Amino acid sequence: AQSVSQHNHHVILSEAASLELGCNYSYGGTVNLFWYVQYPGQHLQLLLKYFSGDPLVKGIKGFEAEFIKSKFSFNLRKPSVQWSDTAEYFCAVRGLTGGGNKLTFGTGTQLKVEL
Amino acid sequence: KAGVTQTPRYLIKTRGQQVTLSCSPISGHRSVSWYQQTPGQGLQFLFEYFSETQRNKGNFPGRFSGRQFSNSRSEMNVSTLELGDSALYLCASSPGLAQGETQYFGPGTRLLVL
Repeated sequence: AQSVSQHNHHVILSEAASLELGCNYSYGGTVNLFWYVQYPGQHLQLLLKYFSGDPLVKGIKGFEAEFIKSKFSFNLRKPSVQWSDTAEYFCAVRGLTGGGNKLTFGTGTQLKVEL
Repeated sequence: KAGVTQTPRYLIKTRGQQVTLSCSPISGHRSVSWYQQTPGQGLQFLFEYFSETQRNKGNFPGRFSGRQFSNSRSEMNVSTLELGDSALYLCASSPGLAQGETQYFGPGTRLLVL
């Protein structure tokens, strides 16, 4: 069975600080990896995804993530956070064996950016 | 293009009742998935439909069921509601099943069971 671990449950940063959120997954086959964000009062939105090619992927709003296959990791980064980045961030994995779109999510990281 | 829509947005039921939630995917999308979001368990996969066929099912009791219609709209049903079924139920759609496809989420239906 696939699983996803997000190491940080709550993160508090000051504006302009750098961000790195950890994500590790457990799955024996080929995967697609996603980071979703849920802003207060809004629905889940895709930040970025990896499915093949360059393991360094860039998403919206200056976010990027690096897929390190040997470490089963897909950490999210942003060099300088803004107050508007306050949200909950979810890492998700889609295992490709057997087909289907089932996503397994991590428990989420609540990010608070202070002015 | 309109996004994923879910109705109703809020629902209050009592234990033992049943409930039906509806999801309209983005136009042209044929895959619909359902997830349950709770503070304690996070986001958990319920089931997935593609072209009216259930492709995957999560670890939920048989009280949870769903279906998909020929126009790709989907419904999920929960019978004999329990207090623990209180949650935000999210629907997501994607064009198909190809690698790398993104699932687009709706705003959810918030169900409160009293």
